[in-house]
Amino acid sequence: ILNVEQSPQSLHVQEGDSTNFTCSFPSSNFYALHWYRWETAKSPEALFVMTLNGDEKKKGRISATLNTKEGYSYLYIKGSQPEDSATYLCAFNSGGSNYKLTFGKGTLLTVNP
Amino acid sequence: DADVTQTPRNRITKTGKRIMLECSQTKGHDRMYWYRQDPGLGLRLIYYSFDVKDINKGEISDGYSVSRQAQAKFSLSLESAIPNQTALYFCATSDSQGGINEQFFGPGTRLTVL
Repeated sequence: ILNVEQSPQSLHVQEGDSTNFTCSFPSSNFYALHWYRWETAKSPEALFVMTLNGDEKKKGRISATLNTKEGYSYLYIKGSQPEDSATYLCAFNSGGSNYKLTFGKGTLLTVNP
Repeated sequence: DADVTQTPRNRITKTGKRIMLECSQTKGHDRMYWYRQDPGLGLRLIYYSFDVKDINKGEISDGYSVSRQAQAKFSLSLESAIPNQTALYFCATSDSQGGINEQFFGPGTRLTVL
């Protein structure tokens, strides 16, 4: 069983704060790392897929970095807004013939107005 | 219209009843997955299918069965529901082309077993 850890488990910030959280995953047999955003009562939606060590991806105020050698990815949110409140999930793909994703438990972000 | 749909969206049932959850997709993807989500436990894979009639067990397949008779449909059955199967169930799809395996999720089915 692959171990994908996310921290912190939950986070409360004020509107306008910048924040970041971590996803740790096995550094061997790496193929891809996914970030999903999951709002309450909705489906998880893909934010980023990263495959190369050193990858950085950005979508608006949200960005992510990837370090496959040490097995971690950071998700950053700049100037948090209440609409950013959601659970952020990372998922590890070891590739090969077995294309399953192993999900972390998520970081629940609450942005207070 | 949503690309991945699940029916029903909510279901309350009693212990021992047989329940079927349906998933349909219009994305043309060959791969489909069933997950359950429990508070504090994240998404856990129940079963997955890479093509019609292909069935593979995930982490927590005990007490569940699935059927993939058509590319667009993947159904999950609880033969005899028990209270600890109360959870939020998600169906997802992905395309085998490219190997990235980005998954697209349905809206979820909230199942309560009394």
